Parts: sequence; C-alpha cells; structure tokens
Amino acid sequence: GAVVSQHPSRVICKSGTSVKIECRSLDFQATTMFWYRQFPKQSLMLMATSNEGSKATYEQGVEKDKFLINHASLTLSTLTVTSAHPEDSSFYICSARDPRGGNEQYFGPGTRLTVT
Amino acid sequence: SQKIEQNSEALNIQEGKTATLTCNYTNYSPAYLQWYRQDPGRGPVFLLLIRENEKEKRKERLKVTFDTTLKQSLFHITASQPADSATYLCALGGPSNAGNMLTFGGGTRLMVKP
Repeated sequence: GAVVSQHPSRVICKSGTSVKIECRSLDFQATTMFWYRQFPKQSLMLMATSNEGSKATYEQGVEKDKFLINHASLTLSTLTVTSAHPEDSSFYICSARDPRGGNEQYFGPGTRLTVT
Repeated sequence: SQKIEQNSEALNIQEGKTATLTCNYTNYSPAYLQWYRQDPGRGPVFLLLIRENEKEKRKERLKVTFDTTLKQSLFHITASQPADSATYLCALGGPSNAGNMLTFGGGTRLMVKP
C-alpha cells in the first residue's frame, strides 16, 4: 500500500521559534496533501489542503500566516509553525491520496509538537 | 452544519465476540465513507471505503454497511482479538466536500478483553 512519512516524529521548541514538519509520499506522487491537527482525545481537524505548485487552501479559523505550507514537489509538503506558542502544542498529521487508487487517504505517522 | 457522530464512550467486549461501531451523520450527502484505525500516538490507518451506492463491504474480519436513508454506517469486527483494541474513526468524503477532503467523526475506542 501507499506509504506516507513525516519528519520529525517529535519536536520540542521554545515559544516564539518556528518549527518545520515534512510530509513525504514515498512510493507515489501526490498532487494534493492534507494537514490535520489532533488534540488529546479529540478527532482530526483539517487545517489545510496543500496543492503542488500552488497556494494551499486553509480551513476557516486557521491562520495562513502562522501555518505556512509549501508543496514544492509531488512527493513533499512542509508545514511550518511560525512563532509557536504553547497553545500550538498538538499532534500534526498529514495525508495524501494515491492517484493510482480510489478515494482512500494514507496518513503519515504524525508529529508531536510541544511548545514550552 | 455537517455533523458526524460516533459513540464517544469506549466499547468493551470479550475476545471472540463481534464488535459493532456506529457512525451517524447529518446535514451531509457523502459520496463515500471511510473507516480508519488509530493507535495512541500514531496516524490513522485506512481500513475500508464504501460508496453511497454500496450497501455492504467486507474485508477479512471487517464488515461495513452504509445506509444513506438512515444516514448511518455500521462497522463490524467479527471474532475480535485483543490486538483489535484501538480507536476507530469514520470519515465522510465528497460530494459535499470539495476535492478529496475528509470530515472525521470523533472516534470510538474499542477495548477487546482476553
């Protein structure tokens, strides 16, 4: 099956700094990737849709200047949390659809961000 | 607004029994519905997809039904095993959602006791 990886798996940063999270499709090309955020004991909330070669589409309430998304190639999307604050601490997960298959999405293992 | 409901209380069953999880939705006309498994601290893992014109789909010990009249999907795990213990998420996609965007339910935690 399709494989999606994320890096890093865990990151701790100080308040005010920026953190970059990478999402890669390892065995397929993804023109679209999705970024989700998940707080403890809650479900996944879509933050934005990352489109290769164009601007990301952000969900209502998600600040595009704070969560910078770059989809520079067909296998890589990055999410940069700028000027991180403790309330940004969460589990960030990306997903992608394998165009060779159906509508199922394949998720990365997630990145646990802790802002101190 | 769209609403997807899964039983937020944990489901505890005995090994070997059939586990049945429910996903109800309102204000939505999905083209398909997906079920995922999520273990603590991990990303969701795709299990099954069922389309609006399909009533039932099976994969090994898993069975999913989709009733667009009741706006409900049932997810069954037969001959359950302790290794099946996890949180199960349902997610709805298209046509109300643009592109391949998914909207997730809150998930139901399943505990299978030996």
